[in-house]
Amino acid sequence: LAKTTQPISMDSYEGQEVNITCSHNNIATNDYITWYQQFPSQGPRFIIQGYKTKVTNEVASLFIPADRKSSTLSLPRVSLSDTAVYYCLVSGGYQKVTFGIGTKLQVIP
Amino acid sequence: GAGVSQSPSNKVTEKGKDVELRCDPISGHTALYWYRQSLGQGLEFLIYFQGNSAPDKSGLPSDRFSAERTGGSVSTLTIQRTQQEDSAVYLCASRTGTSGNGATDTQYFGPGTRLTVL
Repeated sequence: LAKTTQPISMDSYEGQEVNITCSHNNIATNDYITWYQQFPSQGPRFIIQGYKTKVTNEVASLFIPADRKSSTLSLPRVSLSDTAVYYCLVSGGYQKVTFGIGTKLQVIP
Repeated sequence: GAGVSQSPSNKVTEKGKDVELRCDPISGHTALYWYRQSLGQGLEFLIYFQGNSAPDKSGLPSDRFSAERTGGSVSTLTIQRTQQEDSAVYLCASRTGTSGNGATDTQYFGPGTRLTVL
């Protein structure tokens, strides 16, 4: 299983763009990169997923370089409601999925 | 449609007692996962089901922990002789389980059961 490394915490002011980078040096060919968001007292929820290059949806963008050894979640113009823990996952199928400790994002007014 | 549900939402028990935690996955989802999350920590994988079978039980922390799934739907996580270190939020997630590429099959999480062992 590919191990992921991401910053433990980040602070950002409201309205700024936030980029959270995840390292996954031993990602396998079949692995996809998925990001989840978790608010206090809730289960994680899916944000975005990608394999390579750039993926964008209504919530975020995901940038994946050609070597796929890292990925960057980009949240445009964050608001206080984006304060949460963000998890980067690398997974190739239905086997055991490993969540790291995640990145705790604190948005400041 | 209905999401993943878990019951009870909160459980307080005394050390040494047995507890059962229930997970109702999204209808039709064949893959089901149990995780444990201690305060301020990430998610710790416990067990994974595909249908009623558990191909991976590697995360169960001890033989006091067991899980079963019946009818390819409801799953129960049982903790026997609970200890204080078992206190945590227990999360369940389901996936369709039928995607040819499981890597793209999103997990849908329930709200969790907060277990407190006194």
